Amino acid sequence: DGGITQSPKYLFRKEGQNVTLSCEQNLNHDAMYWYRQDPGQGLRLIYYSQIVNDFQKGDIAEGYSVSREKKESFPLTVTSAQKNPTAFYLCASRQQGGSAGELFFGEGSRLTVL
Amino acid sequence: QKEVEQDPGPLSVPEGAIVSLNCTYSNSAFQYFMWYRQYSRKGPELLMYTYSSGNKEDGRFTAQVDKSSKYISLFIRDSQPSDSATYLCALYWTGNQFYFGTGTSLTVIP
Repeated sequence: DGGITQSPKYLFRKEGQNVTLSCEQNLNHDAMYWYRQDPGQGLRLIYYSQIVNDFQKGDIAEGYSVSREKKESFPLTVTSAQKNPTAFYLCASRQQGGSAGELFFGEGSRLTVL
Repeated sequence: QKEVEQDPGPLSVPEGAIVSLNCTYSNSAFQYFMWYRQYSRKGPELLMYTYSSGNKEDGRFTAQVDKSSKYISLFIRDSQPSDSATYLCALYWTGNQFYFGTGTSLTVIP
């Protein structure tokens, strides 16, 4: 079945550690996104990529990094510079085009900093 | 001012009730209007997708867009316990990013 796979589903990190969240899609979508979801704040865009080897910062990119070496993969690294990393992280993808198109989401990764 | 405003609720209704969920927005450039449903600890899934003003119906769900008032609504008829979830509105215009509401938490009581 086509879809987006995020891993791990739950992750615990000590302060000062970098962690990488995986996102893989087999939908052949060009565009991929990372969002952060916190209670009462909705979805906030961290980074997005429209083509391989290119990505742009979203509204809250500080303390995060990404790469897009393959069309199907868009990993997110939460660095120690991110002051409040405990959150629910969602990866999404969509087919590029003039219209909005459907944004497909993964099941999310919940990161907790101890 | 936020691009999209959505009442977070929570909203609690008896089974069979009609539910009305709403968002307001500030930027008249938005062209595409979506509603996503998100169950607890899951990713959002697309429920309704509309372009420009008007109504769109799909089973028990109706999406309504009033661009003149910058107001969008989702109506759920004959609500079921399985409709209990968080509902997110999302807006988009060509070449830009998606803007999401904060989500409204809905509980349908059997």
